[in-house]
Amino acid sequence: QKEVEQNSGPLSVPEGAIASLNCTYSDRGSQSFFWYRQYSGKSPELIMSIYSNGDKEDGRFTAQLNKASQYVSLLIRDSQPSDSATYLCAVEGGTSYGKLTFGQGTILTVHP
Amino acid sequence: KAGVTQTPRYLIKTRGQQVTLSCSPISGHRSVSWYQQTPGQGLQFLFEYFSETQRNKGNFPGRFSGRQFSNSRSEMNVSTLELGDSALYLCASSGGLAGGYYNEQFFGPGTRLTVL
Repeated sequence: QKEVEQNSGPLSVPEGAIASLNCTYSDRGSQSFFWYRQYSGKSPELIMSIYSNGDKEDGRFTAQLNKASQYVSLLIRDSQPSDSATYLCAVEGGTSYGKLTFGQGTILTVHP
Repeated sequence: KAGVTQTPRYLIKTRGQQVTLSCSPISGHRSVSWYQQTPGQGLQFLFEYFSETQRNKGNFPGRFSGRQFSNSRSEMNVSTLELGDSALYLCASSGGLAGGYYNEQFFGPGTRLTVL
């Protein structure tokens, strides 16, 4: 079992729709959870961080964390073509300072 | 505030050579983490430095090493290069402390290494 798994892609949604990205992790001691966006040929860009159970909203993005189910998700509302990118889920363990474990990424395409 | 900078941006080397990559973190950040990104393996953690000390290390051979200076700038070195070392090498900086946003990592643009 991979340490961090993301829903298989690619994911294609129409403009204006909600894109839902999911991630599960295996280390129950994990404390910090992040979503990064990576455009082709660019480096990852941090878009959301979440540390406690529940929802965290930032503009069109909502991150959801459920530690009991070892599950974290990212919702993108009113998806735009500019949201087309690879989305990476990253997890930091309780004592693994500075070490992020990444999922394989989900490619999102938003078509007009 | 300036972001994370990495130099050089591109490198072409031949097998057996060694290479040194440099990373300057965001001002005030004391932690620098290094990652290797390849199409097949994705993003993999190499090591992390905080206040000149390596706190964490990934599962890479000893050919991969790093260090951090007193101004938090970091370098990583790969000796005896192999074809499989061709990758995008990314560094990320953070406050380096547990809790809250102190451990949010911000990535530099990366160094693209090609080994021929």
